[in-house]
Amino acid sequence: SAVISQKPSRDICQRGTSLTIQCQVDSQVTMMFWYRQQPGQSLTLIATANQGSEATYESGFVIDKFPISRPNLTFSTLTVSNLSPEDSSIYLCSVQGNTEAFFGQGTRLTVV
Amino acid sequence: DQQVKQNSPSLSVQEGRISILNCDYTNSMFDYFLWYKKYPAEGPTFLISISSIKDKNEDGRFTVFLNKSAKHLSLHIVPSQPGDSAVYFCAASAKISGAGSYQLTFGKGTKLSVIP
Repeated sequence: SAVISQKPSRDICQRGTSLTIQCQVDSQVTMMFWYRQQPGQSLTLIATANQGSEATYESGFVIDKFPISRPNLTFSTLTVSNLSPEDSSIYLCSVQGNTEAFFGQGTRLTVV
Repeated sequence: DQQVKQNSPSLSVQEGRISILNCDYTNSMFDYFLWYKKYPAEGPTFLISISSIKDKNEDGRFTVFLNKSAKHLSLHIVPSQPGDSAVYFCAASAKISGAGSYQLTFGKGTKLSVIP
């Protein structure tokens, strides 16, 4: 298993600003994953972050809106840029075990 | 188009009775299925899983059944306890070719309330 610390746990942001979410893992991992859970919806993969290379984004997500950093094998950040109320969601970082994924506690973002 | 569907957004069950949460999928490439439990203000935590080559996996009060021909799986909790009240997500996994990893696809979740 893996222990994942994610912060902030919640934030309220003004539209047009940005929020950076940090994710720290207690072990070295090759890939880290960022998900979004919009209200009443499933968890949707935003991107996969590999250390030493650019993140791979899923359809519908772009680097300008969701820039990701992966400076080492235990840490990653996701920035949600130019916030609008539609970005109000829970954002989760995740790492994969052999068969199951482990998640941070999530960041609940509210854009006003 | 949703590849993993949980058609019941909520379920209420009396304490001590059985809770049955259902999940349907459409993609035949899924080879592993998982259930996650999520409390408010926490991330999802892994609960139980099943390989596509099996039809049942049991872990204490939790049993997952897989019907491949119907592309359907279910989670049984018996007996249900008030602490089981949470949102349960069904997830399906497919290997990513050449990547050594897998892609998880989640359902929308079912909120289980166990009434004392």
